[in-house]
Amino acid sequence: SQKIEQNSEALNIQEGKTATLTCNYTNYSPAYLQWYRQDPGRAPVFLLLIRENEKEKRKERLKVTFDTTLKQSLFHITASQPADSATYLCALGANFNKFYFGSGTKLNVKP
Amino acid sequence: DGGITQSPKYLFRKEGQNVTLSCEQNLNHDAMYWYRQDPGQGLRLIYYSQIVNDFQKGDIAEGYSVSREKKESFPLTVTSAQKNPTAFYLCASSIRGQTDTQYFGPGTRLTVL
Repeated sequence: SQKIEQNSEALNIQEGKTATLTCNYTNYSPAYLQWYRQDPGRAPVFLLLIRENEKEKRKERLKVTFDTTLKQSLFHITASQPADSATYLCALGANFNKFYFGSGTKLNVKP
Repeated sequence: DGGITQSPKYLFRKEGQNVTLSCEQNLNHDAMYWYRQDPGQGLRLIYYSQIVNDFQKGDIAEGYSVSREKKESFPLTVTSAQKNPTAFYLCASSIRGQTDTQYFGPGTRLTVL
């Protein structure tokens, strides 16, 4: 069965540094990958989508890469701020009935 | 304001009772989804609907039922057959398909006593 792995340990970084989160997957060939932000007790909020034929996508301080050979996506937040502290979820999809979320990685940005 | 609403925010039910969670959107989106999230876990797809009067099972549909009689509404019923119903339930919608941005409602936290 398919498996999506995000680091379950929290990532702690200093304000101003670049945060890099990893999403690895096995037994799956997604057509696209999405990243969401989720604050405690709140719903996820969509951040970025990247398709299998795209290597990199950027939006303001966010950058996502997608390596279908390594079966991995990296999510970067540059010049991180305490307000970026949250749990970040990756989600992979091929079609409607093959869409899966990872369990998320908690990011703590310290001032 | 356009958006997606879920009610209630918190719901308590006795074991063995069916309960229906509301999800309404005024974004004119075709597709709607229900997810379940357990503590420290990712979201798991329960049901989805691409169009009115049509819906499909996701990975964990057992013990749940849905209807899509109107474009704006996609209620989820948690039946007594669902063995472990206590969870955070999230409804989402998108313009057409899952490659489109999914907009989530605020969620309903269901506790079965």
